[in-house]
Amino acid sequence: DAGITQSPRYKITETGRQVTLMCHQTWSHSYMFWYRQDLGHGLRLIYYSAAADITDKGEVPDGYVVSRSKTENFPLTLESATRSQTSVYFCASSERNTGELFFGEGSRLTVL
Amino acid sequence: GQQLNQSPQSMFIQEGEDVSMNCTSSSIFNTWLWYKQDPGEGPVLLIALYKAGELTSNGRLTAQFGITRKDSFLNISASIPSDVGIYFCAGQYQGAQKLVFGQGTRLTINP
Repeated sequence: DAGITQSPRYKITETGRQVTLMCHQTWSHSYMFWYRQDLGHGLRLIYYSAAADITDKGEVPDGYVVSRSKTENFPLTLESATRSQTSVYFCASSERNTGELFFGEGSRLTVL
Repeated sequence: GQQLNQSPQSMFIQEGEDVSMNCTSSSIFNTWLWYKQDPGEGPVLLIALYKAGELTSNGRLTAQFGITRKDSFLNISASIPSDVGIYFCAGQYQGAQKLVFGQGTRLTINP
């Protein structure tokens, strides 16, 4: 199916474990983004990418790693999960640098 | 980091009422956007504004790009139950690749 998909949709893990959230888009959009959404903080940018092999930090990058070896994929890895990383994570893509983002359905992560 | 002040934080209205919400910033933005998030879903773009003073409509929704480029508002006329959700404003600086989001306005409608 066309669009932007995230997996898993729900994940429970333990403190210290590595977790990878996947994001895949079928539009060949150049730009991809990872946001986290927490009560009281709205949407905060973690990392973004303007093209394959180009990534940059957002507002809250600490504790996260990204890669973009292919245009369509933009995985987000929590190298050693902490409770403060319990959140809903959204991936988004954009064809051009216009601010017009297409969001995935989100991945809800709980770190125990 | 840069914050957008979005108000109100929440609204409780009756079906059929009109709704107004706004965003202000201490900085100038080149683009203002409004997104809506339904429960359990990702945000969806409603309206994008690219020029100061621009007034744009999308059905019952109307948004304006403030003349000072530091604010924007969104109006919803004759609200219906499917308007329930969280509305986010977002601003983009000229040449920037990322957006700054407001905290969101949670809209609840009593039938």
